[in-house]
Amino acid sequence: DAGITQSPRHKVTETGTPVTLRCHQTENHRYMYWYRQDPGHGLRLIHYSYGVKDTDKGEVSDGYSVSRSKTEDFLLTLESATSSQTSVYFCAISKPWLAGRYEQFFGPGTRLTVL
Amino acid sequence: TQLLEQSPQFLSIQEGENLTVYCNSSSVFSSLQWYRQEPGEGPVLLVTVVTGGEVKKLKRLTFQFGDARKDSSLHITAAQPGDTGLYLCAGVDNDMRFGAGTRLTVKP
Repeated sequence: DAGITQSPRHKVTETGTPVTLRCHQTENHRYMYWYRQDPGHGLRLIHYSYGVKDTDKGEVSDGYSVSRSKTEDFLLTLESATSSQTSVYFCAISKPWLAGRYEQFFGPGTRLTVL
Repeated sequence: TQLLEQSPQFLSIQEGENLTVYCNSSSVFSSLQWYRQEPGEGPVLLVTVVTGGEVKKLKRLTFQFGDARKDSSLHITAAQPGDTGLYLCAGVDNDMRFGAGTRLTVKP
């Protein structure tokens, strides 16, 4: 257990509305990630953060923004939700493992439905 | 483009059978990780393999990293219903890429 919580766990919203998902960690890890999981695609990286106010884009960042004002919180925002953003969203953290290597640990996920 | 291909996509077997699932890529990875995911939960890390040819055992699960560090396999001996889940592999280099997974169902 890496002490990761996500909120909300489930959300239904309408096209065009803003949505913010929250990831909270209790272990002070530097790296945090947002993924989406869709059938047939596995997990795809949306954005990641390597410190407070330090973020970068992932593979599927269009339509998403992130913020990290505190080490423990990483927020994912959909400025104007679209039906193609219906998905399950996972937050993850990296823990150092061997020298120069890291392992990722995931939160429980948020199921988002955009109608 | 899926950098990591997992096969089979679906597998349904009876309790007690053995099985192998595969994770293949044309890319070389510095390490490869296997995760298991149950419905409604996040993926849980099972193992990380880092050396070409490496074999790691976790009770009834045996993980192998290919000599060229492009592929990996997961073998489960005497599968149990508790092994049911989605098995994901993830290749690590400068970034981390996931396969689409093998959905395993073990019937009692």
